[in-house]
Amino acid sequence: GAVVSQHPSWVICKSGTSVKIECRSLDFQATTMFWYRQFPKQSLMLMATSNEGSKATYEQGVEKDKFLINHASLTLSTLTVTSAHPEDSSFYICSARDFKREMNEQFFGPGTRLTVL
Amino acid sequence: GQNIDQPTEMTATEGAIVQINCTYQTSGFNGLFWYQQHAGEAPTFLSYNVLDGLEEKGRFSSFLSRSKGYSYLLLKELQMKDSASYLCAITDSNYQLIWGAGTKLIIKP
Repeated sequence: GAVVSQHPSWVICKSGTSVKIECRSLDFQATTMFWYRQFPKQSLMLMATSNEGSKATYEQGVEKDKFLINHASLTLSTLTVTSAHPEDSSFYICSARDFKREMNEQFFGPGTRLTVL
Repeated sequence: GQNIDQPTEMTATEGAIVQINCTYQTSGFNGLFWYQQHAGEAPTFLSYNVLDGLEEKGRFSSFLSRSKGYSYLLLKELQMKDSASYLCAITDSNYQLIWGAGTKLIIKP
């Protein structure tokens, strides 16, 4: 159990376009989902925490108008990178927490590799 | 402040044992996680410690000392596929995960 999927796995887009990434918890309900970004050879960087039915909480330095997060249901959160630029090229990973589990571990999706030309 | 320290990189030999240390200073403590991340992939859960002591799971074991703010991940009978980054993460008083920078483990034949 505790499977998280992401779609798409990879995407290439032109500069100035918007890209939507979906994160789904397949076999559990996730009241909280997290969005991370990871540049090559660097550690995970938390971008925002998404709670179902409420606004996302963004980390310092992350532009909320550029990275739009929607968590409309207990199994789906979306991240939209608006007006993407080459510097937004990165590995975007979501994770979800099952509030019924005592351990509070985060289950990660497989990640989405974004390349902006 | 909140701080998690891990060595940046370690090298070990196939078949050997390696210990990856993690020290932390956080506002509150609700458990420590170890994750494994292969290059280009998302992290996968390895272990969880909330009480002091050793948790053993096959070739991997994790130890925690809350009074010392210290944990280690012990990998036995190393295999080439164990080459990866190992991430230490703490759940703080708000149940937020605080991540260490990760330790890149290189296994040599």
